[in-house]
Amino acid sequence: SQKIEQNSEALNIQEGKTATLTCNYTNYSPAYLQWYRQDPGRGPVFLLLIRENEKEKRKERLKVTFDTTLKQSLFHITASQPADSATYLCALGSGGYNKLIFGAGTRLAVHP
Amino acid sequence: NAGVTQTPKFQVLKTGQSMTLQCAQDMNHNSMYWYRQDPGMGLRLIYYSASEGTTDKGEVPNGYNVSRLNKREFSLRLESAAPSQTSVYFCASSETGASAPLHFGNGTRLTVT
Repeated sequence: SQKIEQNSEALNIQEGKTATLTCNYTNYSPAYLQWYRQDPGRGPVFLLLIRENEKEKRKERLKVTFDTTLKQSLFHITASQPADSATYLCALGSGGYNKLIFGAGTRLAVHP
Repeated sequence: NAGVTQTPKFQVLKTGQSMTLQCAQDMNHNSMYWYRQDPGMGLRLIYYSASEGTTDKGEVPNGYNVSRLNKREFSLRLESAAPSQTSVYFCASSETGASAPLHFGNGTRLTVT
């Protein structure tokens, strides 16, 4: 069955450093991958989309890579700030309808 | 804009009771979704509506029913609640088409005792 793995342990980093979160998947060939941010008690908020024919996507301090050979996406936040502390979810999709499969998320804590 | 609005925010039910979770969006989106989120698990799709007048089952539809009342509103009904349905429920909407970003509400936290 399709499986998405994100680090279940929280990632703790110092302010100003680059945070790197990993999303691995098996038994799936997604056409695209999305990353969302979720704060406690709130719904997820869309951050970035990357398609299978794209290697890398950037938006301000965010960078996403997508390696369909390794079946992996990396999500980077450069110059991290305490305000970046949240849970980050990856989601994979394919086909005509937007039926995404979500990972369980990785909690990021940025310390001053 | 309010985006996606869900009511209620919190609910406690006894086993066997029924209730309807309400969702409305003001972004003129065609597609709407219901997900549940449980600790340690990813969001799981319960039902979705690709467009007004259509609904389809997602990954975990058992024990739920949905109604796409109009383009704005998509409700989720639990006919006979069970403790296994204790979860946080999220409604989302998106523009038509694959890969369109989902816009989520802030969830309904449901406890079934």
